[in-house]
Amino acid sequence: GQSLEQPSEVTAVEGAIVQINCTYQTSGFYGLSWYQQHDGGAPTFLSYNALDGLEETGRFSSFLSRSDSYGYLLLQELQMKDSASYFCAVDGSGNTGKLIFGQGTTLQVKP
Amino acid sequence: DAGVTQSPTHLIKTRGQQVTLRCSPISGHKSVSWYQQVLGQGPQFIFQYYEKEERGRGNFPDRFSARQFPNYSSELNVNALLLGDSALYLCASSGTGDNTEAFFGQGTRLTVV
Repeated sequence: GQSLEQPSEVTAVEGAIVQINCTYQTSGFYGLSWYQQHDGGAPTFLSYNALDGLEETGRFSSFLSRSDSYGYLLLQELQMKDSASYFCAVDGSGNTGKLIFGQGTTLQVKP
Repeated sequence: DAGVTQSPTHLIKTRGQQVTLRCSPISGHKSVSWYQQVLGQGPQFIFQYYEKEERGRGNFPDRFSARQFPNYSSELNVNALLLGDSALYLCASSGTGDNTEAFFGQGTRLTVV
């Protein structure tokens, strides 16, 4: 089967750093994506890792270890607006038209 | 440029009825995918269409069908609706080439009563 595991909830305070982990088990793997979704909204793209290592985009960074089937999303200098659900998703077919999503991690940022 | 647009935004249907959801991709995008997102869970892949041909199908019953038109817009049809079909239906489009990002629409919230 295919599965992605991520924590269901994470709570942190404004200005802090938080890491959301994702482990995956899929039949195919081309890359790991991260998406943010605010309540009732569209998922929006944050990052994509195809190769091992760290990718940094502003306050957000994403890491991938293919040998460990593991990745994480790192959010720095947390802001209230970062309160949302975060999903890791595996691109298992070489095109991002068919993504396998995790169950999502709800991040609550407190003042 | 307009993003991915979906219609309608909300829909209430009765069990046993049929529903058609519509999606217009970002201009220039030839790939359209459909996902079902049940409350509290991640999106689940239903279909992908590329250049009007089905490129992939998720683990959904035959009651679910889709098609893509020459202008790359797409429709998702669900027949014989069940209460369990109540969900947010998301459409995503993606481009070609070095393609690492899927662009999602706001979704259609379907409630089956």
